[in-house]
Amino acid sequence: GQNIDQPTEMTATEGAIVQINCTYQTSGFNGLFWYQQHAGEAPTFLSYNVLDGLEEKGRFSSFLSRSKGYSYLLLKELQMKDSASYLCAVMDSNYQLIWGAGTKLIIKP
Amino acid sequence: GAVVSQHPSRVICKSGTSVKIECRSLDFQATTMFWYRQFPKKSLMLMATSNEGSKATYEQGVEKDKFLINHASLTLSTLTVTSAHPEDSSFYICSARDFAGDSNEQFFGPGTRLTVL
Repeated sequence: GQNIDQPTEMTATEGAIVQINCTYQTSGFNGLFWYQQHAGEAPTFLSYNVLDGLEEKGRFSSFLSRSKGYSYLLLKELQMKDSASYLCAVMDSNYQLIWGAGTKLIIKP
Repeated sequence: GAVVSQHPSRVICKSGTSVKIECRSLDFQATTMFWYRQFPKKSLMLMATSNEGSKATYEQGVEKDKFLINHASLTLSTLTVTSAHPEDSSFYICSARDFAGDSNEQFFGPGTRLTVL
């Protein structure tokens, strides 16, 4: 079956760096997405990786290793507004998104 | 980036009534739209994939006669929750892919919070 694993919850300190990991097993691969979702709101797009390596976008970076079925989202210079759930999703061979359960990130002052 | 709108953003209805939720792609054509449901503190659950001009494809366990989907144009898909019950109370989110674009990104609407009394 298809499976996306990511930690349920993480806690970090304002100003610090946090890495959220995601491992996946899917039927085919057409890219991996990271979305941010604040409570009561719809997900917003953060990043998309389809080739191995690191994609950097401001304070956020995303890494992909297709051979290992592994990705991580790196958040630097954490701000209180970064407190949210972070969703990892993989697009399978049918171009359908398979979603992880999300990682709730709690930022403490 | 591409914009997807949803209407209404919030609806409260009595048990047994039907509720229609609209999802529109504002600046692109979406041949495929997706309907998700999310319960509190849970992940997104895909309900169905809506294809313009054809019948929707429902995920296992989703009743197609209860959740009616119509995708009549390239910019509009509707989800009708028929004979709603309190257990249907949830956050309903649509998304769309811009197949003319150069990425596989799905653009999400802002969501509709349904409360059935």
